[in-house]
Parts: sequence; C-alpha cells; structure tokens
Amino acid sequence: KAGVTQTPRYLIKTRGQQVTLSCSPISGHRSVSWYQQTPGQGLQFLFEYFSETQRNKGNFPGRFSGRQFSNSRSEMNVSTLELGDSALYLCASSLGASGGRNEQFFGPGTRLTVL
Amino acid sequence: GENVGLHLPTLSVQEGDNSIINCAYSNSASDYFIWYKQESGKGPQFIIDIRSNMDKRQGQRVTVLLNKTVKHLSLQIAATQPGDSAVYFCAEREYYGGSQGNLIFGKGTKLSVKP
Repeated sequence: KAGVTQTPRYLIKTRGQQVTLSCSPISGHRSVSWYQQTPGQGLQFLFEYFSETQRNKGNFPGRFSGRQFSNSRSEMNVSTLELGDSALYLCASSLGASGGRNEQFFGPGTRLTVL
Repeated sequence: GENVGLHLPTLSVQEGDNSIINCAYSNSASDYFIWYKQESGKGPQFIIDIRSNMDKRQGQRVTVLLNKTVKHLSLQIAATQPGDSAVYFCAEREYYGGSQGNLIFGKGTKLSVKP
C-alpha cells in the first residue's frame, strides 16, 4: 500500500506570493492533518480535515487555509507569503478522525523556502 | 538533516547500550501520548503510544513510561543500533470533556548512536 505522498517536495517562493501544497493520503484514510515544522517552533498543528470538513484548526493566521476533496486528497494554501513561513510542511493521514487512537502516518513533507 | 533543529537536546550513546529519552508534557488533561521518530529528510514515524490509564507499555525494543504525577514521559530503547539515530518527538493529545483535541508535539531530542 502506498504511503502518504506530498507534492511538491521542494518549493521556492518570494514574499507576497501564494502557494498551494498537495497531500494524497493512504488509500482508505479519511482524515488528513497538516503540520508546520521549523527549527525554532518545532512541529505545530495547522488543521485537520475529515470527510471534506475542517474538524480542528491550530493557532495560525487566516493566510493559512486548506481543503479536502471527496477522494480525501487535501491541499493547503498560504497566501501573502512571509519569510517566517519558510518551513517543512507535513501532512499526516489516518483512518478516522484524529480523536482516539487512530495512528497518523506522515508524508515526507514539502520544504517551502520564502525569499 | 534538514528536519533537525539547531538547538535540539542531543543524546549520544554507544551502539548496544540502552537509550532513555525524556519528555515533559504540559497539560494534565492530556489522555493519550505518542512517541515519533524522524530521520533526516523524512516525516515522523510512529513508534509507540500509551493511554493515560497506563503507566508502562512495551513494544519491540522500546518501552514507554508515563508518570502522570510529574507529567513526564520517557522512551527507552534497548540495545540501541545505528539505525536508531534520529530525532525523537513526544506528542500529547489533550482531552476536553468528551472532545479530543489536536496533537501537541515536544521540541524533540536528537539521538546519536556511535558505532
């Protein structure tokens, strides 16, 4: 069974631009969560989608948004990029919603660099 | 690796020795805890989890200990191998009266295994 895939793996943008990252969960998984990882702040939760609905949201500004499609694939969008948005963006999928002991499987991440 | 923070605590052990990685969690309301391993260039990988109604759980070569009194979690790795070299994260899931929250990750500990 294929794991979680994320595209693109690497991305370079300039301040003010916007970016869309894509995540394909493991087949059959309905929950997708997004995380931002930086050396200073570590891993921080962005949001979770389950059955096309945003179930939980972390403490990030409205420039960060996401969505989930009927096939469970998810995208996240960051508008008006800032230098501080440079990070590794990780997607994780699980069978059910994140409550409970549904194990989350992480993708390799998308490395976003904002210049 | 690109996922390692510049100022992560580091644990250096000799191959074959046992490793103990510690984590202090923040919320006494957390009811579920997970340890993840992250190798350079990869997303976090699930190692072992434990519920708050347990104080010890064993897996293959790994043991997680939970001390709710002092809000402390530890991961013990027996007979540490070079392949265990990675950054290890603990994560807690908060529980709010019937509703489970998001995963909150610790800053991570870098484990370095000397051959």
